Amino acid sequence: AQTVTQSQPEMSVQEAETVTLSCTYDTSESDYYLFWYKQPPSRQMILVIRQEAYKQQNATENRFSVNFQKAAKSFSLKISDSQLGDAAMYFCAYRSANSGYALNFGKGTSLLVTP
Amino acid sequence: GAGVSQSPSNKVTEKGKDVELRCDPISGHTALYWYRQSLGQGLEFLIYFQGNSAPDKSGLPSDRFSAERTGGSVSTLTIQRTQQEDSAVYLCASSSRPGGLTKGTDTQYFGPGTRLTVL
Repeated sequence: AQTVTQSQPEMSVQEAETVTLSCTYDTSESDYYLFWYKQPPSRQMILVIRQEAYKQQNATENRFSVNFQKAAKSFSLKISDSQLGDAAMYFCAYRSANSGYALNFGKGTSLLVTP
Repeated sequence: GAGVSQSPSNKVTEKGKDVELRCDPISGHTALYWYRQSLGQGLEFLIYFQGNSAPDKSGLPSDRFSAERTGGSVSTLTIQRTQQEDSAVYLCASSSRPGGLTKGTDTQYFGPGTRLTVL
């Protein structure tokens, strides 16, 4: 089974600064999808960004971008110009493209944004 | 359009009672997933429905857990004879799944979850 590791249980960033959340995964597959989800205290899991493994170009969504290193099996999330509303739990997730349907989640990183 | 909805938002029950949790997926989404989020185990996959196919129940932790999906839309997760270790947030997600050979990201959209507390 694929495993997803988020090595930073907590991170802190000042408003307007940049922060990077780490994620590594273990897989023998070549085709898969990677996701970052945000979970604020409301519990709603919100998709932040997604990456297809067959795409070499890193995904970006406004202030959010990823650094996808397929050989290193690394998928970090960079948040630029951090805002107070970015404070939440962030989960990295893996899904196989060819077998199984479930998302495999990391344990999450709690992001605190200070004024 | 409307997102995934779940009810109830919170449920408190006594050990040994049965509970039913409901999920309304996004209209038109053919795939539906249940996950459990607990402090000790993180987010775990429970069960997956796709159209009229037999569900993938590989994540259900015991035979006290069951789920059904009526008419390809609403789903109910039932936990019989609840135990304290069943206390968790139960999350439902849905996705549209391309048919045939089309490759897609099958992004899952989540509901707000049901927090279950077993006393």
